[in-house]
Amino acid sequence: KNEVEQSPQNLTAQEGEFITINCSYSVGISALHWLQQHPGGGIVSLFMLSSGKKKHGRLIATINIQEKHSSLHITASHPRDSAVYICAVQGGSEKLVFGKGMKLTVNP
Amino acid sequence: ETGVTQSPTHLIKTRGQQVTLRCSSQSGHNTVSWYQQALGQGPQFIFQYYREEENGRGNFPPRFSGLQFPNYSSELNVNALELDDSALYLCASSLETGTGYTFGSGTRLTVV
Repeated sequence: KNEVEQSPQNLTAQEGEFITINCSYSVGISALHWLQQHPGGGIVSLFMLSSGKKKHGRLIATINIQEKHSSLHITASHPRDSAVYICAVQGGSEKLVFGKGMKLTVNP
Repeated sequence: ETGVTQSPTHLIKTRGQQVTLRCSSQSGHNTVSWYQQALGQGPQFIFQYYREEENGRGNFPPRFSGLQFPNYSSELNVNALELDDSALYLCASSLETGTGYTFGSGTRLTVV
């Protein structure tokens, strides 16, 4: 079993839909990261969370430390949101352990 | 801020050859981590350098080695390349360990 599990693995949505991406992890962590990866490969850091909730524009990230679960929400989705969204956890060694990512496609 | 720059962006090598990948960390960042991302998979931790010293290593053989320079830029060296080394290699820098990461765009290595 992977230390970081993401669901769903793929998601296709229509422009304007509200989208939720889930991440569950099985180890103790100091922080959780949500990252966005576009087809060219480059990764953009969206959020770094250790508790509660963060919001940036149309993106909201939440984490429940007791349940070892985090969600990334996208409101009013747009085709430019199409990308792979990766959850990564940071433990005591400070290395990141990544999930496999979720491929999101938003159609106009 | 200039962000994290990786070079080259793409590279094709023959099995058995050696390769050096380079990473310039974001200004002020003293920690660099390297990751290998195979197609369709999440990145896997190779190693981390903090102030020029290796500060953690993942499950990669010794033919994967690294270096961090006084200006905190870094190199990843892979000897005796194997076909399975074909992947996207990502570099991420951070200000001290345990803080947020800035990622480069990666180097896509193809071993034929």
